[in-house]
This record gives sequence, structure tokens and C-alpha cells, in this order.
Amino acid sequence: SQTIHQWPATLVQPVGSPLSLECTVEGTSNPNLYWYRQAAGRGLQLLFYSVGIGQISSEVPQNLSASRPQDRQFILSSKKLLLSDSGFYLCAWSDLYEQYFGPGTRLTVT
Amino acid sequence: AQSVTQLDSHVSVSEGTPVLLRCNYSSSYSPSLFWYVQHPNKGLQLLLKYTSAATLVKGINGFEAEFKKSETSFHLTKPSAHMSDAAEYFCVVPTGANSKLTFGKGITLSVRP
Repeated sequence: SQTIHQWPATLVQPVGSPLSLECTVEGTSNPNLYWYRQAAGRGLQLLFYSVGIGQISSEVPQNLSASRPQDRQFILSSKKLLLSDSGFYLCAWSDLYEQYFGPGTRLTVT
Repeated sequence: AQSVTQLDSHVSVSEGTPVLLRCNYSSSYSPSLFWYVQHPNKGLQLLLKYTSAATLVKGINGFEAEFKKSETSFHLTKPSAHMSDAAEYFCVVPTGANSKLTFGKGITLSVRP
């Protein structure tokens, strides 16, 4: 069966520090991968999606970037965090139209 | 373009009473529609999905939803709420290519003992 992992589960980082969140998927090949951010009371916002290795599409301009160095690995990064980057970050993969979500990373920028 | 509207941001019910969470969609054709649930600080889990087969869709944990084209609605219901149903619920529609989804703003369901 397929599983999706995210780490770390929680993270507290100072403003201006770098960020790296990792997402990995097991049990499937060449999935579409997605990064979402969920800010308090604001629903889910799609940040990036990827249809293959090295292929990244950005949905909104922001302080973050994404990379897909391997088929089942998706990384969310920032060189310098802002206070507004705080939130709950969710990774997901899809097979056709159904998406399957990871457990999420709670990021607090102080 | 497809979109969904969840007008209620918060719904509170007593344990054992029915649950109704409303969702209206906007689409030029009959879309696929989903309901996802998110418990606090957890990822999202698919409750049920409509894909133009039966209009009444049964999901997990006793939830069901009915697709009504005449009302452009896909409301989520459950006959009897349980304390464990307290969570946030999202109505979702696929949009565009690459299996992208558009989420409603979500409804927080509270269940009173």
C-alpha cells in the first residue's frame, strides 16, 4: 500500500533562517506531488506541484521554493524565512483526481 | 472555472443529533466533487467522492452526500453526530490539469456532549 511521510512534524525557526521540509512517498511510481500551506482560518493554499523529477510548477509568488530530486521525494525550501511563512504545511500525492495527504509539518517562525 | 463555496465557517451540534454541512459548487458541467476531513493538527482524509455515478454517495464514518444538479449543491450529512466527528471539513473540486484541487474554506464542526 502507499504511504506518505513528512518531516519534521513540528519546527520553530527564527526569522531569516533557512528552511527545508521533506516529503516522501512509498508504494507508487511517478506520482503527482503537491505542497499546500494552511494558515489559521484560511483554508488550504496550493503552493507547488510536480508531475515528474525536476518539474516544478509554482502556484503563487512567494518566499518559498520546491524541488523534486527523486521520483518520490518532494522538498520545500526557503533561504530566509519570514513571519508570514508560519503555518501548517501539507504534502500530497495523487493518482488521477484523488489526492492523499501526509501528516503535515507545523512551522512557527519567531 | 470550477469552484466551491462553503458559506458556514462553523457548525455546532449536540452529540446524537443530525449533521448538515453545506457546499455549493460552480461549474459549467457536472464536476467531480469530494469531501475531506481534517482532525486537529493532522493531514486530510478523504470522506467521500462523487464522480457522476450515483448521486447519493456514502462515505466513511457514516457520512453521506447527495449531488443535486438543480441546486448546484453537494451537502454532507450524518444522521447522528459523534464526539469524534469534531473536525474541519472541506468541500473540494478538481480544477485544471495535473489533478489539481480547489478547496473550499472549510467548516469547523463542533460536537457538544
